[in-house]
Amino acid sequence: AQSVTQLGSHVSVSEGALVLLRCNYSSSVPPYLFWYVQYPNQGLQLLLKYTSAATLVKGINGFEAEFKKSETSFHLTKPSAHMSDAAEYFCAVDAGGTSYGKLTFGQGTILTVHP
Amino acid sequence: GAGVSQSPRYKVAKRGQDVALRCDPISGHVSLFWYQQALGQGPEFLTYFQNEAQLDKSGLPSDRFFAERPEGSVSTLKIQRTQQEDSAVYLCASTSPGQGVYEQYFGPGTRLTVT
Repeated sequence: AQSVTQLGSHVSVSEGALVLLRCNYSSSVPPYLFWYVQYPNQGLQLLLKYTSAATLVKGINGFEAEFKKSETSFHLTKPSAHMSDAAEYFCAVDAGGTSYGKLTFGQGTILTVHP
Repeated sequence: GAGVSQSPRYKVAKRGQDVALRCDPISGHVSLFWYQQALGQGPEFLTYFQNEAQLDKSGLPSDRFFAERPEGSVSTLKIQRTQQEDSAVYLCASTSPGQGVYEQYFGPGTRLTVT
């Protein structure tokens, strides 16, 4: 069975600082990995996805993530935080055990950006 | 174009009442998922439809939960005899194989509060 662990339920950064949100996964097969963002009272929006092509994945809003198989990690980064990045972020895995993309999510990390 | 819509956005039910939550997926999307998101947690898979067929209901927490998608479009999640532990946000997502690697599009969710 697959699982996702997000280290740090809350992360606080200054505007302009590096954003690093950590995600580790477990999977018995090569996974597909996703990062979603959720703003208050809204659904989840896809930031980026890893599909076994390039290990460094670029997404929307300047975010990127690197798949590291040896570390079973898929950490999300952004070089310079904006106030508008304040939201909750979820890492998710589709371990390929089904043919239709059933996702397992981490517990989420709330990102706070202060001036 | 229109995204995934859900109604109602908020529902308050007294313990023991039945509720019905509606999901309108993106037009033409074959696959539909329901997830339950408890406060402070990541979404958890409930059930999956491909067209009108419910192919996976392994995440439904009890036989009080029932989902249907009779014409392969709109879906309804029904909860009978609601309990306080059912309080959560219920998210619907849709996708289609043409989207590539099952990129799921999420609705805004229905926040259910059982009193």
